[in-house]
Amino acid sequence: KAGVTQTPRYLIKTRGQQVTLSCSPISGHRSVSWYQQTPGQGLQFLFEYFSETQRNKGNFPGRFSGRQFSNSRSEMNVSTLELGDSALYLCASSSVEGLYEQYFGPGTRLTVT
Amino acid sequence: DQQVKQNSPSLSVQEGRISILNCDYTNSMFDYFLWYKKYPAEGPTFLISISSIKDKNEDGRFTVFLNKSAKHLSLHIVPSQPGDSAVYFCAASTYSGAGSYQLTFGKGTKLSVIP
Repeated sequence: KAGVTQTPRYLIKTRGQQVTLSCSPISGHRSVSWYQQTPGQGLQFLFEYFSETQRNKGNFPGRFSGRQFSNSRSEMNVSTLELGDSALYLCASSSVEGLYEQYFGPGTRLTVT
Repeated sequence: DQQVKQNSPSLSVQEGRISILNCDYTNSMFDYFLWYKKYPAEGPTFLISISSIKDKNEDGRFTVFLNKSAKHLSLHIVPSQPGDSAVYFCAASTYSGAGSYQLTFGKGTKLSVIP
């Protein structure tokens, strides 16, 4: 099976702009979670989607949003970008059977200037 | 408030010796624990896991130990190989409602295996 894919891999944006990141889960996986990784904070949970519904949300401002499509592909959007949003954004998918184990994509490196 | 702590940011071990990575947690509701390995420019890779009802799980060179009373888990790698050099993340799972299980990660320990 192909792994989790994320596009784009690298992105440079300017403060105030918005950005959309994409994630395609492993075939058959219906749960998609998003994480932000920064050097100081480690991996922090953003939100989780299952069957096009957001099931869980981390402690991030409303500028961070996401959605999931009927084919389980997911997108996350960050509006009004701030310098502090520079991070590696990771997407992970899991199957219904292996709820605990999440499989990660390579991430999207976002740099805000 | 950091619920999962990896107190050693880095660890250096000689090839062939044992690597021991430690993790402490504070939330008693965590019921499943996982270790991930991460190479630069790649996403974390699932390594091994353990349920809270067990105290040990083994997979080849990797063994995870869980001490629930101390809220402590450790990952043992024996023997250590240069290819094991990576950042290791400890993660803990808890049920968040609506069928969702949330992972909380430690900040990672960078393991360097010296040939």
